[in-house]
Amino acid sequence: DQQVKQNSPSLSVQEGRISILNCDYTNSMFDYFLWYKKYPAEGPTFLISISSIKDKNEDGRFTVFLNKSAKHLSLHIVPSQPGDSAVYFCAASDWDMRFGAGTRLTVKP
Amino acid sequence: NAGVTQTPKFRVLKTGQSMTLLCAQDMNHEYMYWYRQDPGMGLRLIHYSVGEGTTAKGEVPDGYNVSRLKKQNFLLGLESAAPSQTSVYFCASTYGWSSNSPLHFGNGTRLTVT
Repeated sequence: DQQVKQNSPSLSVQEGRISILNCDYTNSMFDYFLWYKKYPAEGPTFLISISSIKDKNEDGRFTVFLNKSAKHLSLHIVPSQPGDSAVYFCAASDWDMRFGAGTRLTVKP
Repeated sequence: NAGVTQTPKFRVLKTGQSMTLLCAQDMNHEYMYWYRQDPGMGLRLIHYSVGEGTTAKGEVPDGYNVSRLKKQNFLLGLESAAPSQTSVYFCASTYGWSSNSPLHFGNGTRLTVT
């Protein structure tokens, strides 16, 4: 059972515009949510996180929003840059960490 | 400043062969993990370790064994490889339990079982 779902396998945006990546989860016990970024032939790297007691966390161009009632997480990248092109995984944890299948973001110059 | 190092990077096995994947971290992390990544499935936890000499099963442990004889090393073994074990394997480590501690990943091992 996939407790963390990323329903969009891919997303393409123009440089300078906003990228919005979405993630849904089913387990209400998750208390911490993270986004990882992965380039080809490399391991995922941590990008940004949010605790379940918050609804927003911002770090430079990256903002994560959490809607607990909807069990929905989103990552906003503003403005998008070509170097942001990668696969983005959302993850949620209680006693272990569960990952979504990933969304491939392409930012076009 | 190596972080998490995985060896080998690539491997091709025939069905029934065995092999060991090595993971080494130089960050003095207590917790180490082995994940596999398959298309459309995300990262799934195989086994993990909360400290030297300890191991535990994750979400998909069947067909794999692990050992953590030294704090810095976490080995993943396949005793009799099957085509279903064709995947990309990632090792990760962290200083604390995953709830509040981002994972540090290696660059992966691409394994093909024919």
